[in-house]
Amino acid sequence: NAGVTQTPKFRILKIGQSMTLQCTQDMNHNYMYWYRQDPGMGLKLIYYSVGAGITDKGEVPNGYNVSRSTTEDFPLRLELAAPSQTSVYFCASKLTGVNTEAFFGQGTRLTVV
Amino acid sequence: TQLLEQSPQFLSIQEGENLTVYCNSSSVFSSLQWYRQEPGEGPVLLVTVVTGGEVKKLKRLTFQFGDARKDSSLHITAAQPGDTGLYLCAGAAAGNNRKLIWGLGTSLAVNP
Repeated sequence: NAGVTQTPKFRILKIGQSMTLQCTQDMNHNYMYWYRQDPGMGLKLIYYSVGAGITDKGEVPNGYNVSRSTTEDFPLRLELAAPSQTSVYFCASKLTGVNTEAFFGQGTRLTVV
Repeated sequence: TQLLEQSPQFLSIQEGENLTVYCNSSSVFSSLQWYRQEPGEGPVLLVTVVTGGEVKKLKRLTFQFGDARKDSSLHITAAQPGDTGLYLCAGAAAGNNRKLIWGLGTSLAVNP
C-alpha cells in the first residue's frame, strides 16, 4: 500500500507565483486534511474535507484553495505565493470516526523567495 | 476554541534517563492520540486513549488519559537515542470527530 502520497517533496517559488501541491491516498479514507508546519512548531490546519465535493476551512486558510473531486485526491493550490507561506506542508487522511488513525504523507518543503 | 497545551516544548536528556511529557486542556476530549514525528517525515501514530483513567504501555512508553479526559501524559523509561523526535498530542473534540486538535509538540533529544 502506498498510503498517502504527496508531490513534490521540495519546491522553491518566487513571490507571486502559483503552484499546486498534490495529495493522493489509496486507503479509501473519507477525511483528508492539509496542514502546515513551521520550524519547531506543531501542525496548523489549512483546509479539510469529509468527502468528495465537500471542503471546509481550517485555522489558516488565507492564501490557499482546495478541491476534492474524488475520494483519492485532495490538491492544495497556492495562488500568489508569499514569503509567509514558506513552510512544510503535510497532507493526511483518516477513516470516519472518533478514534481513527491519521495517516500522513512525507511532506512538501516549500520555500518562497 | 479548544486548545491542547503541551509541555515541555523542548527536552534534552542523556540516554537512560526517564521523562514525562504533558498534554493539558480545559476541554473534554472523546479521545487523545500521541504521534511521533522524525525529521523529514510525517507524524506516525503511537497510541490512542479513549477511556478516562486509561493507561496504555508500548514497550518503554506509558500513556495515560486523565480521569476527566482533559489531559494526558507520556512517560518514557530509560530513554534511548532512537526515541529522539517530535512528540505531538492530538485530541478529538467531544461531538466533533471531523478535526483533530493538535498540541504544539515536544521536541525530545536523547544524547548517547
